[in-house]
This record gives sequence, C-alpha cells and structure tokens, in this order.
Amino acid sequence: NAGVTQTPKFRILKIGQSMTLQCTQDMNHNYMYWYRQDPGMGLKLIYYSVGAGITDKGEVPNGYNVSRSTTEDFPLRLELAAPSQTSVYFCASRRQDYTFGSGTRLTVV
Amino acid sequence: GQQLNQSPQSMFIQEGEDVSMNCTSSSIFNTWLWYKQDPGEGPVLLIALYKAGELTSNGRLTAQFGITRKDSFLNISASIPSDVGIYFCAGQNGGSQGNLIFGKGTKLSVKP
Repeated sequence: NAGVTQTPKFRILKIGQSMTLQCTQDMNHNYMYWYRQDPGMGLKLIYYSVGAGITDKGEVPNGYNVSRSTTEDFPLRLELAAPSQTSVYFCASRRQDYTFGSGTRLTVV
Repeated sequence: GQQLNQSPQSMFIQEGEDVSMNCTSSSIFNTWLWYKQDPGEGPVLLIALYKAGELTSNGRLTAQFGITRKDSFLNISASIPSDVGIYFCAGQNGGSQGNLIFGKGTKLSVKP
C-alpha cells in the first residue's frame, strides 16, 4: 500500500493563478481531510469528506474548493491564489486513525 | 472554535534526558492523540488515548489522557538524537466527522 499520496511536493504560483493539489489514497478509507500548516502553527482543517460525493467545510475554507467523485481521490482547488495561501498543505485519510500524506509546499508570489 | 494550548513551544535538551510536554483545552475531547512530524513529512501517530485517565506507553513514550478530558501529557524517557522533531497534540471529538484540533507543536532539539 502506498498510503496517502500528494502531488506536487512543491509549487510556486503567481497571485491570481489557479491550481489543483492532488491527493489519493489506496486504503479504501471513507474519511478524507485537507489541512494547512503555517510556520510555527498546528494544522488547520480546510475541508473534509465523509465519503464519495460528500464534502463539508472545515475551519478555514475560504479561497478553496474540493470535490470527491471517488473514494480514492480528494483534490483541493485554489481558484485565485493569494499570498495568504502560502503554506504547507496536508491531505489525510482515516478509518479510525489518521494517515497523513507528506505534504505540498505552496508559495504564492 | 476549540483551541489547544501546547507547551513548551520548544525544548533543547541533552541526549539521555527525559522530556515532558503537555496540552490543555478549554473544552473536553473524547480522544487525545500525539503526533511527531519530521522535516518535510506529514505527522505520524505516536500514541492515541481513548479514555479519561488512561495511561499508555509506546516504547520510551508515555502519554496520559487527563481525568477532566481537557488535558494530556507526553513524556519521552532517555531521549536520543532521532527524537528530534515537532510533536503535536490533537484532540478529537465523536461524531461522524472525527475532525482533529491540533496544538501549535513542541519543537524538540537533542544535543548529543
């Protein structure tokens, strides 16, 4: 099992550009999550999904969108990148315990 | 929203020393978890605590779920260089979402 795979690992975006952060898991977990981690801070929940076709907002959803068309994939979309979205993004899935991906480091300039 | 206060923010210790860190919350949680994050990686679960008062060990790590359900501590005994990293506490409530609330982390540095 590969676990939770995130791509890309690094990305630099210009203000106003859009991009999709990919997340896929091969553990057949229903629950999936997107967190962001700012320097010196814990992880904050952006969006989550309890199963295919079902998504909901977390603590900091503004500026992001998600979709969950399959159990395996949970992409995170940034439509109009802003400097405040410079962060490290972690995807996670769980049955009981969480498994985290290794993160995507995004810089918006 | 719910917040966790984790302390200390950072620790710089000698190899072989014991380490203690803790988390407190203004609200109760059903589950407390402790994670370690290495540079460039996602958090990895160290210990999960499911019951108030529970004391659980995992090798040199020991964690306790406070009796009030508003706090937890993590101890690391006889620290070694590979213990270096950032340790996060997280609280989890029941319900279908099972979302985690994270502390801000304790950065541990170990001097050989």
